[in-house]
Amino acid sequence: QSALTQPASVSGSPGQSITISCTGTSSDVGGYKYVSWYQQHPAKAPKLMIYDVSNRPSGVSNRFSGSKSGDTASLTISGLQAEDEADYYCNSYTSSNTLGVFGTGTKVTVL
Amino acid sequence: EVQLVQSGTEVKKPGESLKISCKGSGYIFTSYWIGWVRQMPGKGLEWIGIIYPTDSDTRYSPSFQGQVTISADKSISTAYLQWSSLKASDTAIYYCARRQAGSRLDYWGQGTLVTVSS
Repeated sequence: QSALTQPASVSGSPGQSITISCTGTSSDVGGYKYVSWYQQHPAKAPKLMIYDVSNRPSGVSNRFSGSKSGDTASLTISGLQAEDEADYYCNSYTSSNTLGVFGTGTKVTVL
Repeated sequence: EVQLVQSGTEVKKPGESLKISCKGSGYIFTSYWIGWVRQMPGKGLEWIGIIYPTDSDTRYSPSFQGQVTISADKSISTAYLQWSSLKASDTAIYYCARRQAGSRLDYWGQGTLVTVSS
């Protein structure tokens, strides 16, 4: 099972919106509504930001939103803030195994 | 409050064995799968495997099958990840997390750093 494909880096200025893509196949992203997104600050554990493509856990800012089209899922961060600078990973349920598959990760830089 | 608390940093030599732990609290431990995830230095997240504490049903990523053993003791709400013979390439941070339906991981432990060096 190959990792889902994410851009290595995305950057934006404070207040702007950015979008991170997560591309898989019909066996994972395209086949299920089970894509989740995680934020990881340096030396910290990952934090769930979006689940089931577009749902936000309680306590997560509504500046974070998720969507999916075909085999590609996306995470959008609107009103970019300095605290959003972190690594972001997608994960999808997959028919290849019962665990899931993570994306390659994207480093978000706030200019 | 849901919490997963992992055991502390480990420094081991190649060939040594190791068992790290993940203790759950604030929820019914036997109602959720626990997942283990590896993060090698400067790299991304990788699934190792999952365990259902109620009956210790365990699933492994093909990449880790035979390389590690996942277990659980439901009487003390604790899951484990163990190696019988460590290699330098096992150097990484290992996270446990509570796994919900659809493969999402909603609560994470703080991570356990394992360093394997001669």
